[in-house]
Amino acid sequence: EAQVTQNPRYLITVTGKKLTVTCSQNMNHEYMSWYRQDPGLGLRQIYYSMNVEVTDKGDVPEGYKVSRKEKRNFPLILESPSPNQTSLYFCASSLKVPVLSYEQYFGPGTRLTVT
Amino acid sequence: KQEVTQIPAALSVPEGENLVLNCSFTDSAIYNLQWFRQDPGKGLTSLLLIQSSQREQTSGRLNASLDKSSGRSTLYIAASQPGDSATYLCAVAVGRGSTLGRLYFGRGTQLTVWP
Repeated sequence: EAQVTQNPRYLITVTGKKLTVTCSQNMNHEYMSWYRQDPGLGLRQIYYSMNVEVTDKGDVPEGYKVSRKEKRNFPLILESPSPNQTSLYFCASSLKVPVLSYEQYFGPGTRLTVT
Repeated sequence: KQEVTQIPAALSVPEGENLVLNCSFTDSAIYNLQWFRQDPGKGLTSLLLIQSSQREQTSGRLNASLDKSSGRSTLYIAASQPGDSATYLCAVAVGRGSTLGRLYFGRGTQLTVWP
């Protein structure tokens, strides 16, 4: 089944403890992206990657890191999480860059709480 | 910076009604616009994608129109059903060169269709 998977789905952690949220897609997509969703603010793009070894900042990259060492995986790294990073995180992928009119496929989301 | 606005924020209608959801964007230099559906606790599912050169797209009971010059899109849902209850989001793809992968989302319209 074609899908985007994220792990973990739920995570409660403490301030400053490094964590990684994994994202994997099995559709051989070139483009991958991370979003956070907050009440009243909607979905905001954190980082995106147009292909392996190519990553760019979205709207809210501060406090996050990403890497794209292989096509299928795009992990989101929080080196020193803070409470303001408590949010619902989504990973998405598309065959190529969305501006070229390829629709995006979303993962199920990761709910992160930082205390 | 692109701003995407969705009106109304919430909508509650009886089953069978035809309804219109609105999406507006501030910068008309978009490449495409995509409508998504989000069910509670779930990821986003793509409904329709309209390229900037198109005026509308249809899928079943859904019809999306795009007026790029005025910065507006509408999602028309015919003969609404309780199963249509969800949050509907629109997103625009923008950017050139190094910002080619940027996407901007509206905050969504929460739709409730009651029997």
